[in-house]
Amino acid sequence: GAVVSQHPSRVICKSGTSVKIECRSLDFQATTMFWYRQFPKQSLMLMATSNEGSKATYEQGVEKDKFLINHASLTLSTLTVTSAHPEDSSFYICSASKQPLLSGNTIYFGEGSWLTVV
Amino acid sequence: DAKTTQPNSMESNEEEPVHLPCNHSTISGTDYIHWYRQLPSQGPEYVIHGLTSNVNNRMASLAIAEDRKSSTLILHRATLRDAAVYYCILGRNTPLVFGKGTRLSVIA
Repeated sequence: GAVVSQHPSRVICKSGTSVKIECRSLDFQATTMFWYRQFPKQSLMLMATSNEGSKATYEQGVEKDKFLINHASLTLSTLTVTSAHPEDSSFYICSASKQPLLSGNTIYFGEGSWLTVV
Repeated sequence: DAKTTQPNSMESNEEEPVHLPCNHSTISGTDYIHWYRQLPSQGPEYVIHGLTSNVNNRMASLAIAEDRKSSTLILHRATLRDAAVYYCILGRNTPLVFGKGTRLSVIA
């Protein structure tokens, strides 16, 4: 079956530094990828939609200059948290759709990446 | 986004069937009904989805009401590994938007 993989699964960084999280679709080409954030005991919150070859679309309240998203190929999207602060510590999850997003498509999720900013 | 309503939590005994309800009274004709589940510290896992007819796969069954305003995810024999948060989501031409889901506890 389709697999979406994230790396790293866990990362600790110092406050003020930047950290990059990769999301790869392993056996299909993903024209669209999505990035979510999840705080403990809360549901997933959509951050942005990433389309291959074009700029990401960010949800309201998500700072595009802080959360840089690049979708340079059909199998890789990256999320860079710039100038990280402790409040950015969270579980970041990516997902991918095989085709241009239609209502019935299955969307596959990565394993998630735990970010801790100290 | 069309909204869904699910109970906050449910409990089941191991090896018994579990029926997880979802209400979606504002569903549109083109909305699919998706179910995902999330185990602790993992990304969501696809369970099943359907449009109008009941659906079965190796993980579960999805029973969709005739008026499509509600659906039920059926786990035929709950195991301890089924303990998770189950999300019922309506899919339109937008990303999946997650509600709070139902936290299923399975008792040995």
